[in-house]
Amino acid sequence: SQQGEEDPQALSIQEGENATMNCSYKTSINNLQWYRQNSGRGLVHLILIRSNEREKHSGRLRVTLDTSKKSSSLLITASRAADTASYFCATDDGGGYNKLIFGAGTRLAVHP
Amino acid sequence: NAGVTQTPKFQVLKTGQSMTLQCAQDMNHNSMYWYRQDPGMGLRLIYYSASEGTTDKGEVPNGYNVSRLNKREFSLRLESAAPSQTSVYFCASSGDRGLSPLHFGNGTRLTVT
Repeated sequence: SQQGEEDPQALSIQEGENATMNCSYKTSINNLQWYRQNSGRGLVHLILIRSNEREKHSGRLRVTLDTSKKSSSLLITASRAADTASYFCATDDGGGYNKLIFGAGTRLAVHP
Repeated sequence: NAGVTQTPKFQVLKTGQSMTLQCAQDMNHNSMYWYRQDPGMGLRLIYYSASEGTTDKGEVPNGYNVSRLNKREFSLRLESAAPSQTSVYFCASSGDRGLSPLHFGNGTRLTVT
């Protein structure tokens, strides 16, 4: 069963614009993570936000977490063509073994 | 520093054939994982190993077996491949339980005809 569900499924923007992706999940979590996947490659970790945090920044990335709504958002500011990739949210299953459950992802296309 | 290395990169099997997917990590991580990725479905956990000598089932373990050979290596075996196992398989590793991110290999693309 999928814990995280990303929205939208696909997003197409121009370079310089901001991109916002949303993630909803179903059960209590210890943390939520965002990953990026370039075509034909493995996933790369972007940012982790703990359940007691509301917002976190890393470079051009901003992640928010609302545990009352069981949702998170990833904002990429001033996007670049190199940001073109699929983005996945992942939540732990609460069992303490770092077993992550991934959503289906958002495909982001940034056009020059 | 290679990170997580998976072999082979591509494989085509006939139904009923067997094969082993290899994974090795050089980050001294205790935990290792096998995921499969199907179009439009994200990644699903097949098996994981919290430490050397231990393995446990994930969400979709049927049709697979695993071996945690040592701290570095975690292999995934398909004993009798089926077309439903056509997928991209990813191995990952992480530090101790808690807040450690997963480090992924580049995947094995498997086609079963």
